[in-house]
Amino acid sequence: GEDVEQSLFLSVREGDSSVINCTYTDSSSTYLYWYKQEPGAGLQLLTYIFSNMDMKQDQRLTVLLNKKDKHLSLRIADTQTGDSAIYFCADPAGTYKYIFGTGTRLKVLA
Amino acid sequence: ETGVTQSPTHLIKTRGQQVTLRCSSQSGHNTVSWYQQALGQGPQFIFQYYREEENGRGNFPPRFSGLQFPNYSSELNVNALELDDSALYLCASSRSGAGQNEKLFFGSGTQLSVL
Repeated sequence: GEDVEQSLFLSVREGDSSVINCTYTDSSSTYLYWYKQEPGAGLQLLTYIFSNMDMKQDQRLTVLLNKKDKHLSLRIADTQTGDSAIYFCADPAGTYKYIFGTGTRLKVLA
Repeated sequence: ETGVTQSPTHLIKTRGQQVTLRCSSQSGHNTVSWYQQALGQGPQFIFQYYREEENGRGNFPPRFSGLQFPNYSSELNVNALELDDSALYLCASSRSGAGQNEKLFFGSGTQLSVL
């Protein structure tokens, strides 16, 4: 069945770049999404990429998509302590039933 | 523009009881989806409501049921609560219908603890 996988933890120093990776199995989706979840909160839509694009840049965020390898990544430039959160990759898997990864917990060290 | 709101924020129930969670969709959105997020996991799709009808369902038993009202708000009902139902329940609204091109906007969730 459909699956989305992410590494569980990432720790970076403030000011460095963070790269969060995701692999997915269903390649029929038109869009792929990144969500951010802060402690005790719901999910905030961070950014998304159209499936026929390789890259999308949005201020400090860069999304890279490799459709051949079914690999999605989120790069955060100049990472700040406020970026500490859990980041989820989401694949609609060609339907409305979004499949979420288990999330990557990003810790930013001052 | 009003975002997605959920109530209550926290709830404690005992095993076997029933619970109702509520969600108001974002202004201009007519579709509501419910997700369950267990501790340390990603959200799992429960079901979606569009035009007051259940539009699709994930791998959840029938004791999970829902409603959507004419104003597009929604309820999630869980009967015969089990300990494993303890989780954060997230409501998400989207603009129109069941299309996978529609972005989901989430509320802050209801944290349910079953003792």
